[in-house]
Amino acid sequence: DAKTTQPPSMDCAEGRAANLPCNHSTISGNEYVYWYRQIHSQGPQYIIHGLKNNETNEMASLIITEDRKSSTLILPHATLRDTAVYYCIVRANNYGQNFVFGPGTRLSVLP
Amino acid sequence: ETGVTQSPTHLIKTRGQQVTLRCSSQSGHNTVSWYQQALGQGPQFIFQYYREEENGRGNFPPRFSGLQFPNYSSELNVNALELDDSALYLCASSLVAGRNYEQYFGPGTRLTVT
Repeated sequence: DAKTTQPPSMDCAEGRAANLPCNHSTISGNEYVYWYRQIHSQGPQYIIHGLKNNETNEMASLIITEDRKSSTLILPHATLRDTAVYYCIVRANNYGQNFVFGPGTRLSVLP
Repeated sequence: ETGVTQSPTHLIKTRGQQVTLRCSSQSGHNTVSWYQQALGQGPQFIFQYYREEENGRGNFPPRFSGLQFPNYSSELNVNALELDDSALYLCASSLVAGRNYEQYFGPGTRLTVT
């Protein structure tokens, strides 16, 4: 079973920041938080991951709370092409570990 | 584009038949994972191959089997197809090295079992 909980759906206005929350209250010390997204009928796309520090790349920012029990993915200026299902996954970076996907959050960016 | 390719794109099979799906991993990646994604659900892990050996398996029956070749490409074989095997099959490649464990997914093969 997935170790994360996410809201099933969210809306965001085009051009505004999209903040997608994720709860992972049972996260272990060696587990990273990963975010992927899946645009309709395509394979999941890697967005970002982090352990305990906040991370930023060209796609998004990842904010992890100090107790690591929750995190937020931020898309700073959402566009219509960001409409997708967003998956938050916790996973240890150990040999043989796989990704356990939950149902994710369906983000709809509205014009 | 991730550089991971899968073939065929779509496939229709009859219950009881066998199917082989193929995946070419991203250049330099030595690990391939396979996932099954039913309609409206998140991907479910089937198994992973590292250096031509199975390295972890999800809750799938033995009629789901795989291979990885020396060039790190991979096959997923499913025997005795059932209607519930209808799904999008995704492969993902990764490089097991250091802290970099991101998996990069292909576009998937849509399998329909009738």
